[in-house]
Amino acid sequence: NAGVTQTPKFQVLKTGQSMTLQCAQDMNHNSMYWYRQDPGMGLRLIYYSASEGTTDKGEVPNGYNVSRLNKREFSLRLESAAPSQTSVYFCASSLGRGGYTFGSGTRLTVV
Amino acid sequence: AQSVTQPDIHITVSEGASLELRCNYSYGATPYLFWYVQSPGQGLQLLLKYFSGDTLVQGIKGFEAEFKRSQSSFNLRKPSVHWSDAAEYFCAVDDFGNEKLTFGTGTRLTIIP
Repeated sequence: NAGVTQTPKFQVLKTGQSMTLQCAQDMNHNSMYWYRQDPGMGLRLIYYSASEGTTDKGEVPNGYNVSRLNKREFSLRLESAAPSQTSVYFCASSLGRGGYTFGSGTRLTVV
Repeated sequence: AQSVTQPDIHITVSEGASLELRCNYSYGATPYLFWYVQSPGQGLQLLLKYFSGDTLVQGIKGFEAEFKRSQSSFNLRKPSVHWSDAAEYFCAVDDFGNEKLTFGTGTRLTIIP
């Protein structure tokens, strides 16, 4: 009963480096999401995937790319990290009607 | 685009006292509405949700929320808070029922003995 698993939990990057945040769910959910959380701004949607093989931009997609590798996995890639991407990143999955299950987050610092 | 407003950034309540957290939304139709809770260092957990029907909905941990269409509000309430309720609370709205949630900026709840 792992739910949504995110790796890594913490990461420090230098400006310009790249990295991929991994997310996997074991609940057979169709929809998956990537949000970022910044102080005073709540959670903002970066990308989402309504089903395997489809992805769509959310509110703040610039600087990010995603891959829905299969039904279980949805990765987020930063090609060239910037200090403005310092944030806590959450992956979530949903079977429908807003019943999101969230991962425990990845705290990313870009220096 | 729809928006969600949580006017209170931080609320402090004594243990055992009642609680009301405010949430207002901007939306043309009746949206799907949610409250989530986030404990420090954790992900978000669903407290309750409203889709239609009875405007008073019950959730986990003794929380309830009331949908008021005339006020575009969906306030979260608890009759008596416990120290373990200290957390951040987020109101969210579903975008046209397509399963994309828009979140408010959150209300941090502090409980004092």
